[in-house]
Amino acid sequence: DAGVIQSPRHEVTEMGQEVTLRCKPISGHNSLFWYRQTMMRGLELLIYFNNNVPIDDSGMPEDRFSAKMPNASFSTLKIQPSEPRDSAVYFCASGWANVLTFGAGSRLTVL
Amino acid sequence: KQEVTQIPAALSVPEGENLVLNCSFTDSAIYNLQWFRQDPGKGLTSLLLIQSSQREQTSGRLNASLDKSSGRSTLYIAASQPGDSATYLCAVYPGGFKTIFGAGTRLFVKA
Repeated sequence: DAGVIQSPRHEVTEMGQEVTLRCKPISGHNSLFWYRQTMMRGLELLIYFNNNVPIDDSGMPEDRFSAKMPNASFSTLKIQPSEPRDSAVYFCASGWANVLTFGAGSRLTVL
Repeated sequence: KQEVTQIPAALSVPEGENLVLNCSFTDSAIYNLQWFRQDPGKGLTSLLLIQSSQREQTSGRLNASLDKSSGRSTLYIAASQPGDSATYLCAVYPGGFKTIFGAGTRLFVKA
């Protein structure tokens, strides 16, 4: 298995632009998590899905953030419009039997 | 509310030393505890998973212990090497799909 695959690995955009981050979880995993990591705040859970259904999105910072999981093999995290304070590394993780496997992350820089 | 604390926040040791990283959690009702390693600019790599019924797990030079009653886990690294330099994160799974992470211990092993 190729593990959890995230794209893009790096994204530089200007304030106000829409950003879409993508994640392909490990086949057979039934849960998917989106995390954000910054130096100031550490690792923050944004949202998680179980069997493609959003369970808890209380970590999503604002309405500018949205996440979807249309099927078991794909999820997106969208920021619209983006702001400089959204600059961070965004991780996707998939889980099975309560064990997490992380992707390599998407480093977002909003100018 | 479950909280995870890691001490120390940073640690610098000479090569060859044995060292212990500490993790404490406030609620002993957990299903498992996982230790992760994160290299700068990279994702999180799972090192060891301890189920709630287990006391310890070993992988090579790493040994992780779990004492649920006292809310503590330790990660023991034997004969440290410069390649062990990274941030080590502890994460507990209390149930309900959500994993709680500590802020991590940043380890630097000097050659």
